[in-house]
Order: sequence, then structure tokens, then C-alpha cells
Amino acid sequence: AQSVTQLGSHVSVSEGALVLLRCNYSSSVPPYLFWYVQYPNQGLQLLLKYTTGATLVKGINGFEAEFKKSETSFHLTKPSAHMSDAAEYFCAVSAMNSGGYQKVTFGTGTKLQVIP
Amino acid sequence: DGGITQSPKYLFRKEGQNVTLSCEQNLNHDAMYWYRQDPGQGLRLIYYSQIVNDFQKGDIAEGYSVSREKKESFPLTVTSAQKNPTAFYLCASRGPGGRGSEQYFGPGTRLTVT
Repeated sequence: AQSVTQLGSHVSVSEGALVLLRCNYSSSVPPYLFWYVQYPNQGLQLLLKYTTGATLVKGINGFEAEFKKSETSFHLTKPSAHMSDAAEYFCAVSAMNSGGYQKVTFGTGTKLQVIP
Repeated sequence: DGGITQSPKYLFRKEGQNVTLSCEQNLNHDAMYWYRQDPGQGLRLIYYSQIVNDFQKGDIAEGYSVSREKKESFPLTVTSAQKNPTAFYLCASRGPGGRGSEQYFGPGTRLTVT
């Protein structure tokens, strides 16, 4: 079984401030983790993903995330928020079931507001 | 440009009518998915298909049906049996690469049933 918990359904930051969006996961197998971004009335777009190897993962638009196994966390950060970062962000965990199907479980999302 | 298209963007129907949402991809992906998105609930899986002529129920399949007659197409029908069909529907596909491969999403269809 696997699950994702995103702490904070809404986060507000000032333009230029640090962005920190929290994600904790549970997984019965080594996790593959993803962050997606969704702009209003659009589909989701991949920001970054962790599969194996380096635990600090860099993505698009200056975002990065660090996989911490001991804390079961995969928090998303960006050093300096830009107005264009205002969107909803989803953390997701992936595992294969016995039928070979990739089961992806999404968190409930965090809406990021950037204040000018 | 490769990608996923969903049509229409907005769809309005009366209660009791079936409606079909279109999803087409030209990414040559085998796996395709339908999700439903409601505010504060994240994405919930309705149906998925790993190959042509095969599909499986997801977590909330009741009141929905799909077909996969072509690799490129995975239409979703919302039937009158779906008790609360108003939602944002997202189609996705996934390439090869096991569970580390990401999903590619279409722009979504917002269905309103009154």
C-alpha cells in the first residue's frame, strides 16, 4: 500500500521568498516520487522526479526536491518565488502492482499563492 | 508536436444523459489513464489501459465506461448511473520505463451536469 500526504492545502509566500511545499509518503517498496504542477483549468505538468541515485533532484523552473528516506519526505523547494509560480502542486508516489500496472497515488495538492 | 488532446474543454449536459469525453495521444504510448479531479481531493483514478483492447477499473469506476480500440484513443463515457458527474476530467498517458516513467496529461475537460 502507498499514500501521500501534503501538509497545507494553501501556502502563501511573498515574491522573492523561499518556497517550501511539504510531502510525506508511505510505500511498501522503495518509492518513486514525483512533483507535478497544475495551472488553473489545465492539465498537470511534471516538475521533477526521484527514481534512484542522487537524493537531491533538480527540476524545471528552478524547483528542486530532496528525498529523505529516514523522514519519508520529498519536500519541494525554490529559493526565490516568482509570480508565475502561483499554481497547484501535487506530490505523487508510484509503485507496480502484481499485475504489472503502475499505480500512481496523488496527494490532495497544495495551492501556492505568491504575493507581490 | 507530440501530446495529448482532450475535447471539448467545457461540456454541459442535463441529468440523465450519457456523455463521452474524447482523449487522443500521438506519443505512441501504450498506457493511458482517466482521472477525476474534485477540489481538495487530488486526482482519483477512474480507468486505465495498458494496451489496445484491454482496460481495467480504477478506484472510482462506477458509472463510467471506456473503450480502447486504437492505441491513440481512449474515450470515457460518463453514464447516467454516475451519481455526481460534475467534475474536471483528466486523461494521461505513460511511456515505457517501468514505474519511474512519468505521466503526460491532457488539458482536461470540465463537465457540468445540471
